[in-house]
Amino acid sequence: QVQLRESGPGLVKPSETLSLTCTVSDGSISSYYWSWIRQPPGKGLEWIGYISDSGSTNSNPSLKSRVTISVDTSKNQFSLRLTSVTAADTAVYYCARGLYGDKTYWGQGTLVTVSS
Amino acid sequence: QLVVTQSPSASASLGASVKLTCTLTSGHSTYAIAWHQQQPEKGPRYLMKVYSDGRHTKGDGIPDRFSGSSSGAERYLTISTLQSEDEADYYCQTWGTGIEVVFGGGTKLTVL
Repeated sequence: QVQLRESGPGLVKPSETLSLTCTVSDGSISSYYWSWIRQPPGKGLEWIGYISDSGSTNSNPSLKSRVTISVDTSKNQFSLRLTSVTAADTAVYYCARGLYGDKTYWGQGTLVTVSS
Repeated sequence: QLVVTQSPSASASLGASVKLTCTLTSGHSTYAIAWHQQQPEKGPRYLMKVYSDGRHTKGDGIPDRFSGSSSGAERYLTISTLQSEDEADYYCQTWGTGIEVVFGGGTKLTVL
């Protein structure tokens, strides 16, 4: 069973760039769709975006101008960059495989706080 | 616009059954959805996919107590023989033709 693990700084300053990496335990990084999702404290889930097996990307229109998702197949990793962060970007960030009709596998999540 | 709607809360007694509802916007009544469970202080866990014809396919290790069904634009998650560990937030999720992902607001289930 595939496992996913998020990693990255837990604290980011306002106006700076949030960068997270998701490491995938098996060799399936070249297949499937890989997504980022976030959950502000006490709130629901919000889809951020995906990168596909062909390398195409798409993101939530509300975040599109600030989001970049990329993949490094040699490291079995995919990454998220979110620019110009504010306190509203404070959330638990999850990576996931699936969300498009196949079984979904979630990472355990990582809390990112935006604060000076 | 593709939207899925859930009731904010539900409750049922220990050992009883409960049926949670996810409603698709009109024009999207043939879409499949997925259910995810989020126990307190934990990450989400995939439960199942529910098709418009009522079929469902479950995730790894999901007990038989969990089942899915459909009627029109509504998709259901039924949990039978409720246990204390079923107290959680349940999220409905679907995906659009542009492969955008949409989550419902979640239903907080309380086991009495």
